[in-house]
Amino acid sequence: AQKITQTQPGMFVQEKEAVTLDCTYDTSDPSYGLFWYKQPSSGEMIFLIYQGSYDQQNATEGRYSLNFQKARKSANLVISASQLGDSAMYFCAMRAPTQGGSEKLVFGKGMKLTVNP
Amino acid sequence: DTGVSQDPRHKITKRGQNVTFRCDPISEHNRLYWYRQTLGQGPEFLTYFQNEAQLEKSRLLSDRFSAERPKGSFSTLEIQRTEQGDSAMYLCASSPGDSEAYEQYFGPGTRLTVT
Repeated sequence: AQKITQTQPGMFVQEKEAVTLDCTYDTSDPSYGLFWYKQPSSGEMIFLIYQGSYDQQNATEGRYSLNFQKARKSANLVISASQLGDSAMYFCAMRAPTQGGSEKLVFGKGMKLTVNP
Repeated sequence: DTGVSQDPRHKITKRGQNVTFRCDPISEHNRLYWYRQTLGQGPEFLTYFQNEAQLEKSRLLSDRFSAERPKGSFSTLEIQRTEQGDSAMYLCASSPGDSEAYEQYFGPGTRLTVT
């Protein structure tokens, strides 16, 4: 079964600094994908970045990059130049096959990032 | 706005009442998902539709829960005889049918409080 582990309950970072959010995963599937979502207090899950298991390079999307270390089964999110608007819950997720032949997302417990001015 | 929409955003109900939530996916997205998120946890998968067919149901979805997606467009999630344990955020997501497009787009969620 697929499992996502996020052990940091919360982090604080100063505005304009970089921050790394940890995520480890477990799966027996050779093909998988990892996501990071942001959930502000309004509740909506906002997609940030995706990394496929066979992608040769680490994914990047603007200020977001994913530090993918396959051997360690880790997929850490790096946010460069933090902004006050980055304060939110962050969830790491993995796509997992279902018995019905589709795919679902398996999420970690999330971690809360607070950006201080 | 062409994102996923959900209605209502908040629902307070008394234990034992029935509630129904609606989700309108992004147009042309033929995959639709429902998730439930309790306080302090990540979302958990409930069910999945491919067009109008419900192809997957989690064991979290008890007999009191039913979901439909008539005509493969909007979807409804009904909870009968609500219990306090049903209090949660119910999230809907959609994705294209393209097998290479794995990203799921989420709506704002419906927060249910059962008193």
